[in-house]
Amino acid sequence: EADIYQTPRYLVIGTGKKITLECSQTMGHDKMYWYQQDPGMELHLIHYSYGVNSTEKGDLSSESTVSRIRTEHFPLTLESARPSHTSQYLCASSPGGGTGNIQYFGAGTRLSVL
Amino acid sequence: AQSVTQPDIHITVSEGASLELRCNYSYGATPYLFWYVQSPGQGLQLLLKYFSGDTLVQGIKGFEAEFKRSQSSFNLRKPSVHWSDAAEYFCAVGAVGGKLIFGQGTTLQVKP
Repeated sequence: EADIYQTPRYLVIGTGKKITLECSQTMGHDKMYWYQQDPGMELHLIHYSYGVNSTEKGDLSSESTVSRIRTEHFPLTLESARPSHTSQYLCASSPGGGTGNIQYFGAGTRLSVL
Repeated sequence: AQSVTQPDIHITVSEGASLELRCNYSYGATPYLFWYVQSPGQGLQLLLKYFSGDTLVQGIKGFEAEFKRSQSSFNLRKPSVHWSDAAEYFCAVGAVGGKLIFGQGTTLQVKP
């Protein structure tokens, strides 16, 4: 069982608020990822990190930002939430960056922006 | 470019019946292939993976998948479905840098 945790699980917030979605893993994995998933749709990679102080934008453009100051922690921030940000956000980690490395997922944060 | 297609958006099977979920991929080299399951309100759990070797791979919860290079397919199967198998199933291919490219997912409904 993977040890990767996301908080909060559910968040309802008003437009314009700043929010941070937390993601932590206790497996010592170097690689971490954030995905955005709309209902009934595939996962889209929005950010990833290959280690401390390394962050990259994913395939889907996102107004969110991320940081990686500690190996185990990979928070995602929205400076000013909008209704278009309503979605599910999934965090994952992986022990390596090769194409065959398994990603382990957290339970997700379901965000609703009113 | 790499891509994954799951042709069936929604499938309904009766409990006890067999199941096959389809997955087709596009990848230039030997692919690393995965099936994940997502229960309502949860994250993704790995069911099984194919890296190399035997083209029939066994996974958790009684699932298996067969890699067919000639058909660019990696279909997921289960001989007898249980009500608890109702969930969303995602096929994925490994990409450069450890990324995963996911299909759109197949929602499985199980009738009693």
